[in-house]
Amino acid sequence: GESVGLHLPTLSVQEGDNSIINCAYSNSASDYFIWYKQESGKGPQFIIDIRSNMDKRQGQRVTVLLNKTVKHLSLQIAATQPGDSAVYFCAENTGGFKTIFGAGTRLFVKA
Amino acid sequence: EPEVTQTPSHQVTQMGQEVILRCVPISNHLYFYWYRQILGQKVEFLVSFYNNEISEKSEIFDDQFSVERPDGSNFTLKIRSTKLEDSAMYFCASSEKIANTGELFFGEGSRLTVL
Repeated sequence: GESVGLHLPTLSVQEGDNSIINCAYSNSASDYFIWYKQESGKGPQFIIDIRSNMDKRQGQRVTVLLNKTVKHLSLQIAATQPGDSAVYFCAENTGGFKTIFGAGTRLFVKA
Repeated sequence: EPEVTQTPSHQVTQMGQEVILRCVPISNHLYFYWYRQILGQKVEFLVSFYNNEISEKSEIFDDQFSVERPDGSNFTLKIRSTKLEDSAMYFCASSEKIANTGELFFGEGSRLTVL
C-alpha cells in the first residue's frame, strides 16, 4: 500500500546551521512530491515540490532531493533561522486529486 | 494575499450530534479538499471535490461524512453523528490546478472536540 513516513520525529539544530529532514516513501508510482511546513496553530504551508523526473530542486534557502532508487526524499534548509522552527511534512501525490502526508518532523532551532 | 478561511475555529459538541464545518476557498480555485489531523499526528486526507462532485475520498470518509458547495463560494464538511474519535483539527484546502501539478493552500483549521 501507500505510505509516506519520516526517519526522525524531532530535529534540533543551532541557528545558522544547515538542517536536513528526511522522508521515505513506498509507492514507486508516485510522481510528485511536496514539502509542507506547519507552524503551531496553523495549517500546512507549501515550501517546495519536485517531480519524479528530477532529482534536485532549489528554492530560497531550501533544496529538495529525490532519490527514486531508494525511495527517499530530503529537505535541506540552509542557514536555519528561529522562524524555521515548525513541523515539516513530506507528502506525495498518487497521480491526481489525493496528496498523502507523512508523519512529520519537528524542527527546533536553538538560538 | 488570498487565503482560505475556515469557521468555526473551535467547536465543542456532544457525541451523536451533527456538525458542519465551513470553508471559503480562494476565489479562483477549482479544486477543494478536506484533511484532518488528530493531535500530534499526521495530516490525513479525507476527500477532494471538483466540478461539484467528490473526485476522491479516503477510507476515513464514510457515510457519516458529506461535503457540499452550496453557493459557489462556501465548501462545507458535515459529520452526521459525531463520535469521540472524530475529535481532531479539520483543514480545508484549495488549489487552482489538480493536486499533482501544484500546491494546496490550507486554511488555519477548525478544531472539533467531541465529548
